Amino acid sequence: GAGVSQTPSNKVTEKGKYVELRCDPISGHTALYWYRQSLGQGPEFLIYFQGTGAADDSGLPNDRFFAVRPEGSVSTLKIQRTERGDSAVYLCASSLARVNTEAFFGQGTRLTVV
Amino acid sequence: AQTVTQSQPEMSVQEAETVTLSCTYDTSESNYYLFWYKQPPSRQMILVIRQEAYKQQNATENRFSVNFQKAAKSFSLKISDSQLGDTAMYFCAFIPVGGTGNQFYFGTGTSLTVIP
Repeated sequence: GAGVSQTPSNKVTEKGKYVELRCDPISGHTALYWYRQSLGQGPEFLIYFQGTGAADDSGLPNDRFFAVRPEGSVSTLKIQRTERGDSAVYLCASSLARVNTEAFFGQGTRLTVV
Repeated sequence: AQTVTQSQPEMSVQEAETVTLSCTYDTSESNYYLFWYKQPPSRQMILVIRQEAYKQQNATENRFSVNFQKAAKSFSLKISDSQLGDTAMYFCAFIPVGGTGNQFYFGTGTSLTVIP
C-alpha cells in the first residue's frame, strides 16, 4: 500500500492475555519506530529498528513488551500478560533513513485492556 | 535530557484568522531536526512542517510557517488563514542528529479548534 498500515485498528483484550500488534511500513523504508500514546499525551518512544535489528529498544517499559522485524519490513509488537495500564494507542512510523527524512505514521492500534 | 514543552493545551481561532502555537525544547545536541505534526481524530500523524536546526531561515509551507529561535530553543508554528480542516491536535517534535538520534521526542500537544 501507499502508507503505513497497522492492524488491527482496535483491540480489546482481557487483563493477563497476550496480544500482537502488526505494522506494515512503506515499501523500501529501512527505519521503523513504535510509539505509545496515552490519552491526552504525546507519543512516547518504545523501539526503533534500522533494517532487521532493534537499534534502540530503550523505550520498552518492561520485559512484557517485545518487538520483532525479522525480514526488515513488517514489524510485530508483542505484549505479554497485558495490564490495564497498557491501554493506549500504539503508533508505528517508518522512514527512508534515520533522522532527516519525514517519518510517516500509521493510524495506530487502540489497545484496550479490560 | 531531551524534552519538548507545549504550554498551550487548548487553543481556538476564528476561521480565516491567524494563530500561533508555541513550543520550547531542550537538548544538548548541537544539530537536530524540528517538526510540527498534526493529528486529526483519525489518529494518523501528518507532517505539517520541518526545520533543520543548522538553517537560520524559517521554514514555510503554504499557510504554515515557523519562528525558529535556536538560542532560545523555541519553535512556534503560525497558521495563517485558518480553515475548519485545521482543527486537530498539533504536536511539536525533534530528533537529534547523532548521539541520541534514535527517536523523535514529542510534546504533549495543543488541541486547536477552528471556529466557523
